[in-house]
Amino acid sequence: GENVEQHPSTLSVQEGDSAVIKCTYSDSASNYFPWYKQELGKGPQLIIDIRSNVGEKKDQRIAVTLNKTAKHFSLHITETQPEDSAVYFCAATGGGGSYIPTFGRGTSLIVHP
Amino acid sequence: EPEVTQTPSHQVTQMGQEVILRCVPISNHLYFYWYRQILGQKVEFLVSFYNNEISEKSEIFDDQFSVERPDGSNFTLKIRSTKLEDSAMYFCASSVSPRSYNEQFFGPGTRLTVL
Repeated sequence: GENVEQHPSTLSVQEGDSAVIKCTYSDSASNYFPWYKQELGKGPQLIIDIRSNVGEKKDQRIAVTLNKTAKHFSLHITETQPEDSAVYFCAATGGGGSYIPTFGRGTSLIVHP
Repeated sequence: EPEVTQTPSHQVTQMGQEVILRCVPISNHLYFYWYRQILGQKVEFLVSFYNNEISEKSEIFDDQFSVERPDGSNFTLKIRSTKLEDSAMYFCASSVSPRSYNEQFFGPGTRLTVL
């Protein structure tokens, strides 16, 4: 089955800096890659996603890139703010005909004011 | 904004006891899911449910687990005889359709502690 690896497990940045979280996946048939943000006491919420026919997608301060050949994808957050502090999960979906996402282990992002 | 709700937020139980975790999915969603996250580990899929039957399940979802939609709003996960290793955060999610491009909306989770 699919295996998703996510790095780093913890990322500490100063407000205004950029943050990058990287994921790799194993199943070349995966075709949809969502990113979730989980704030304390809440469930994961979708913040951005990318399909396999696209190399990059941007939404204001967040962007995601996908390299299908290398089977890795990344989340980029620019001009970080304290409210960006949360746990971020990447996921890969669509491999083997399943619509169930396989999640990474999560990255705890801490933005210091 | 509609959201998935879960109760209780925290459940403490003795090993061997039965627990029922409850979820109210978003009202116009048709597909429902349960995931779990053991502390410090990945979010893992347990089961998906549509039209009153299980659509897909993982190897984690063994005979100790069952799901039910007892009425038009609730979706429950039952663990028949809890084990220590069942201690985890359990998330319910729902979606309009099961296709991978459709967003799954997650609830806030129930933290299950088995003593």
